[in-house]
Amino acid sequence: DAKTTQPTSMDCAEGRAANLPCNHSTISGNEYVYWYRQIHSQGPQYIIHGLKNNETNEMASLIITEDRKSSTLILPHATLRDTAVYYCIVSIPNTGNQFYFGTGTSLTVIP
Amino acid sequence: DAMVIQNPRYQVTQFGKPVTLSCSQTLNHNVMYWYQQKSSQAPKLLFHYYDKDFNNEADTPDNFQSRRPNTSFCFLDIRSPGLGDAAMYLCATSRDLQGKNIQYFGAGTRLSVL
Repeated sequence: DAKTTQPTSMDCAEGRAANLPCNHSTISGNEYVYWYRQIHSQGPQYIIHGLKNNETNEMASLIITEDRKSSTLILPHATLRDTAVYYCIVSIPNTGNQFYFGTGTSLTVIP
Repeated sequence: DAMVIQNPRYQVTQFGKPVTLSCSQTLNHNVMYWYQQKSSQAPKLLFHYYDKDFNNEADTPDNFQSRRPNTSFCFLDIRSPGLGDAAMYLCATSRDLQGKNIQYFGAGTRLSVL
C-alpha cells in the first residue's frame, strides 16, 4: 500500500517555482523518497530521489525535513511542459524495489 | 532513443480472448516490473522479476501471468481478459544498485477489451 499523501491538485504560474508537498510520516529509516511525474498518456518519468539530505539535479530540488516525515519537490521555474501528475513514493532500494504509488498531485502550470 | 520499449502501443482484444503484451529493454537491467494503470488512477504493481525470480503481488489476479525468457524481454499474458482489465499496462526496469534503484518506464500499452 502507498505510504504517502499528497494534495490532489495544485496550480502554478508559468515561470514561478512550483512547490509540491508530500507527507510520509511512517517512513522507515532505510526507505528513500522518490519523485516521478507522468504526463498524460506517457509512462512515469524519474525526477529525483533522496534519503535524508536535500538533493538537486537539472530538473528539480528535493527538500526532506529533518525528521524525514515529509518532503517537498521544487520545480524552480515552472513551464507549461511541467503540467503533469507528480507522484511521491517511498521505497527501499534493495531487491526488487517495489513502488506503491499514491494518488499523486495533478500540477497545472498556468500561462 | 527509447530504452524500455513496449509493443504494441494500443491493443484491442475480445472478452475472454488471451492477449500478450511485450516489453523489451536495452539497459541490461536485472529487474523488470509490470504495472496496471486504470483511467484516472495511479499505477498499480502487478509483479516483478528480479533476474529470473518471479515475484507476484498478493492481490494480482491469477488471470495475469508473466514470462521473462531472457534479460531483455518480459511478457504480460492475460489469459481471459474481462472488461475490467481495460487499462494502460506499464513496463519498467531497474538495476539493483545500493541506494540508486531508479525505475525506468516504457510508454505503456493501452488495452481495450470489447
